[in-house]
Amino acid sequence: EVQMEESGGGLVQPGGSLKISCIVSGFTFSNYWMNWVRQAPGRGPEWVAQIKPDGSADYYADTVRGRFTISRDNAKNSLYLQMNSLRAEDTAVYYCSRPTRGGTNDLWGQGTMVTVSS
Amino acid sequence: DIVMTQSPDSLAVSLGERATINCKSSQSILYSPTNKNNLAWYQHKPGQSPKLLIYWTSTRESGVPDRFSGSGSGTDFTLTISNLQAEDVAIYYCHQYLSTGGTFGQGTRVEIK
Repeated sequence: EVQMEESGGGLVQPGGSLKISCIVSGFTFSNYWMNWVRQAPGRGPEWVAQIKPDGSADYYADTVRGRFTISRDNAKNSLYLQMNSLRAEDTAVYYCSRPTRGGTNDLWGQGTMVTVSS
Repeated sequence: DIVMTQSPDSLAVSLGERATINCKSSQSILYSPTNKNNLAWYQHKPGQSPKLLIYWTSTRESGVPDRFSGSGSGTDFTLTISNLQAEDVAIYYCHQYLSTGGTFGQGTRVEIK
């Protein structure tokens, strides 16, 4: 059974840092690009970051570039998102997702909530 | 960025009737090498993760009931839910994936009348 499970969300103060994780099972993780996608309350999803299968390249939305870093450990079937200099507008549910067929997200985790507030 | 605008924001449809959701992109999302529009639709139910329904405008994901259909071209796209069932109550999002990561619409909430 294919599963993707995020963890590590929580409450953090503005300017703070947080690292969230996604552990994957049921498919060959090392063969796939991976995404982080977030959804703020009452809004549509927003793509955040993407990483190549071997981790050699990564891409970011303008809203997070320079503050967030996506990484992966293929030996641990794990995807990460290091978030620094957090802002209130980063408050959202963060999902890991698997892009295939040119970019459709055919698999999503259950999400982890990140709240940035003082 | 390519902006995706959905209409309406919400709609209420009787069981067994048809629901129609529109999505307009701010520019063409045609991927020239495939001559296909990179447009997908997702269903999102409370407490669950989003579910891919349709990609390349009109191709249903494996296991998706055939009452869900997608159409469109250029910058105008439509998701149609025929014979609406109670389990179809959800928020539906369109998603263009021509650009890296793509952009999503704001969502359309479908309820039972």
